Amino acid sequence: GAGVSQSPSNKVTEKGKDVELRCDPISGHTALYWYRQSLGQGLEFLIYFQGNSAPDKSGLPSDRFSAERTGGSVSTLTIQRTQQEDSAVYLCASSERPGNLPNTGELFFGEGSRLTVL
Amino acid sequence: GDSVVQTEGQVLPSEGDSLIVNCSYETTQYPSLFWYVQYPGEGPQLHLKAMKANDKGRNKGFEAMYRKETTSFHLEKDSVQESDSAVYFCALRPSSNTGKLIFGQGTTLQVKP
Repeated sequence: GAGVSQSPSNKVTEKGKDVELRCDPISGHTALYWYRQSLGQGLEFLIYFQGNSAPDKSGLPSDRFSAERTGGSVSTLTIQRTQQEDSAVYLCASSERPGNLPNTGELFFGEGSRLTVL
Repeated sequence: GDSVVQTEGQVLPSEGDSLIVNCSYETTQYPSLFWYVQYPGEGPQLHLKAMKANDKGRNKGFEAMYRKETTSFHLEKDSVQESDSAVYFCALRPSSNTGKLIFGQGTTLQVKP
């Protein structure tokens, strides 16, 4: 498909286990973002990758969270030693390079990975 | 830091009612402003945008005016329809040098038939 693809769509894990969430962005998009959506909450920024620049990790809530982007394309968000408060929908988005015309600043989101920590 | 505030968590108009969903922002930069809409089971998608002060974003009968003097970007519609029911997020992009968006908490619009 042509959109942002995320897997798994649902993940149930036990407290203390590690999880990996995958994001496959739109082909040609150089920017990739991870957001978290908790029940009744807004979209919380986690991390932003732009090309070969150092990622903006300012939104990661703790050192249990990390993300990497290999080859400028696919990204993996890893949560170590999961806690119940990590339960949320993790959304990935991609966009064209900011500043490129006719860039509108539009982010294209995937459907998300729903994480449940028991 | 940069922030976006949506004061209503949920609004429950009847079909045909007018609508205002409030959005206020705070930043020291010169942002672009956006409304995103999220339908059940889907990721958010761009609804409308305004790139500079006094621009008006429009889409499907919705409008929002970028007001720098009041740091607001309220979403309005004259007559809502049941199909407008969704979660609406206001967002700002702090500058053109970043693609990162800062989102508000979201407002659930549930239109009664």
